[in-house]
Amino acid sequence: QLVLTQSPSASASLGASVKLTCTLSSGHSSYTIAWHQQQPEKGPRYLMKLNSDGSHSKGDGIPDRFSGSSSGAERYLTISSLQSEDEADYYCQTWGTDIQIFGTGTKVTVL
Amino acid sequence: QLQLQESGPGLVKPSETLSLTCTVSGGSISSSSYYWGWIRQPPAKGLEWIGSIYYSGSTSYNLSLRGRLTMSVDTSKNQFSLKLSSVTAADTAVYYCARHLRDGHNRGAGGIDYWGQGTLVTVSS
Repeated sequence: QLVLTQSPSASASLGASVKLTCTLSSGHSSYTIAWHQQQPEKGPRYLMKLNSDGSHSKGDGIPDRFSGSSSGAERYLTISSLQSEDEADYYCQTWGTDIQIFGTGTKVTVL
Repeated sequence: QLQLQESGPGLVKPSETLSLTCTVSGGSISSSSYYWGWIRQPPAKGLEWIGSIYYSGSTSYNLSLRGRLTMSVDTSKNQFSLKLSSVTAADTAVYYCARHLRDGHNRGAGGIDYWGQGTLVTVSS
């Protein structure tokens, strides 16, 4: 069964970096995912598509502070030089034939 | 710049049908490179995929909603729509429409790259 696992929360200080993890279920380690950001009281915003080899393509206007990487079944989103506006929920998404799956989201707090 | 805008009633009575339309501007819904989808988010909860549709009318639905769900596309109006029947309070959510990239392995809809702003639908008598 295709499942994405995310930690519920993460935090880091203003100006620091934070690395979020999205883990694909067993047997699905080659899958591509997408990362989305949802700021408080707003709709989601596409950040990037991230492949199993770590290559990624970002959405329009996404700052260089956001980067992606991969290792095995894990997909990472790293946010460098944290800004106050980065405080948000971050969701990963993947897909298969006739199915779309979202992770449960990670809430990032900027200290 | 692509824009998606949801429209429809904000209040639906239990057992009735929820109907929403997404209007796409700044791009063609008939492009072979994209699929179009609906996602919802109950209050204080995460994202749930509802279903996706191709411009040809081919659909994929969340199995948990199949039987109550109908999606359609109107290429002449650059719109796609959602109908969810027999609604209950559990269907109360913000409903988003979105654009999917076409999956590179021909598995249909891939990752979402554009989202609408969302519309709150409350199911209540």
